[in-house]
Amino acid sequence: KNEVEQSPQNLTAQEGEFITINCSYSVGISALHWLQQHPGGGIVSLFMLSSGKKKHGRLIATINIQEKHSSLHITASHPRDSAVYICAVYQGAQKLVFGQGTRLTINP
Amino acid sequence: DAGVTQSPTHLIKTRGQQVTLRCSPISGHKSVSWYQQVLGQGPQFIFQYYEKEERGRGNFPDRFSARQFPNYSSELNVNALLLGDSALYLCASRPGTGYSTDTQYFGPGTRLTVL
Repeated sequence: KNEVEQSPQNLTAQEGEFITINCSYSVGISALHWLQQHPGGGIVSLFMLSSGKKKHGRLIATINIQEKHSSLHITASHPRDSAVYICAVYQGAQKLVFGQGTRLTINP
Repeated sequence: DAGVTQSPTHLIKTRGQQVTLRCSPISGHKSVSWYQQVLGQGPQFIFQYYEKEERGRGNFPDRFSARQFPNYSSELNVNALLLGDSALYLCASRPGTGYSTDTQYFGPGTRLTVL
């Protein structure tokens, strides 16, 4: 079993839909990253959080430390949101452990 | 300001050869990490360096080595290449010392193909 599990692995939705991607982890962590990866490989950090909730534009990330679970939500989804979304957890301060990613496709 | 840069963009090697990948961090960032991403999977942590010292190492064989230079740029070396080393190699820099959990900024990656 992977230390970081994401669901779903693939998600296809229509433009405007509310999107939720889930991340569960089995190890103690100090912080959690949500990352976005576009075709071609470039990775962009969306959020880093260790408690509660963060919001940036149409993106919202939440984390429940007790339940070892985080969610990434996208409101009013748009085709340009199509990408792979990756959850990664810090074990200590040096090592990031990544989930396998969720491939999101938003159709117009 | 320029982001994290990596070179080369693409590389093709044959089994048994050696390869060197390069990374320049964001100006002012002293910590650099290397990751391997095999197609269809999430990245795997290889190394983290801060102030030219190795601060963390993932579960990779000794064929993988790295170093950091006084200007904080870094090189990743892989010897005796195997087909399974084919992957996207990502470099990330961060502003902190590596002893705190701060945001990492990723480069575009080097895609290595081993034939």
